[in-house]
Amino acid sequence: NAGVTQTPKFRVLKTGQSMTLLCAQDMNHEYMYWYRQDPGMGLRLIHYSVGEGTTAKGEVPDGYNVSRLKKQNFLLGLESAAPSQTSVYFCASSSGQGSTGELFFGEGSRLTVL
Amino acid sequence: GQNIDQPTEMTATEGAIVQINCTYQTSGFNGLFWYQQHAGEAPTFLSYNVLDGLEEKGRFSSFLSRSKGYSYLLLKELQMKDSASYLCAVMDSNYQLIWGAGTKLIIKP
Repeated sequence: NAGVTQTPKFRVLKTGQSMTLLCAQDMNHEYMYWYRQDPGMGLRLIHYSVGEGTTAKGEVPDGYNVSRLKKQNFLLGLESAAPSQTSVYFCASSSGQGSTGELFFGEGSRLTVL
Repeated sequence: GQNIDQPTEMTATEGAIVQINCTYQTSGFNGLFWYQQHAGEAPTFLSYNVLDGLEEKGRFSSFLSRSKGYSYLLLKELQMKDSASYLCAVMDSNYQLIWGAGTKLIIKP
């Protein structure tokens, strides 16, 4: 029962470097999300996808890009990392919205940008 | 703007009862969720309310009043393992989740 898997779990980057976070889910969920979580703040939505081949901007999309080429995978890219992007990143998936909108989260990826 | 308010931190005693409140102001309403998050771990789903009233699930209950923009999570017979952050989230008219900053619950023996 893998559920939602994120890689890598930890990463340290220098300002200006690029990286990709991979999220994979094995529950055949249509909806996938990338959040960031910072101390004292609620989860903030970066980008989301409502199905294979679709992506949409969330609350804080600047500095990030995403792709959903396969239904089970949702990639989050940082083209030029900045210290403000130091955070814990969570991927989540759900089968629908409303009462079926329960989110299943990955374990998180802790990113530090120096 | 959209806003979710919940206390930053609460302390309770093992075996006791604690109520964590959440008030919200959002553009529309399509349900309210409670999640539990242990330190260093991912959030996990606890409850979903879309109609007014109390939903009971074992030691945990969640209450909703849509007219007051208010919910609470009630935890009974507290155990040490209940020490965690509890996140309140409201689904707005666009089916987007608006998250509170979370309430850190500390359980003392």
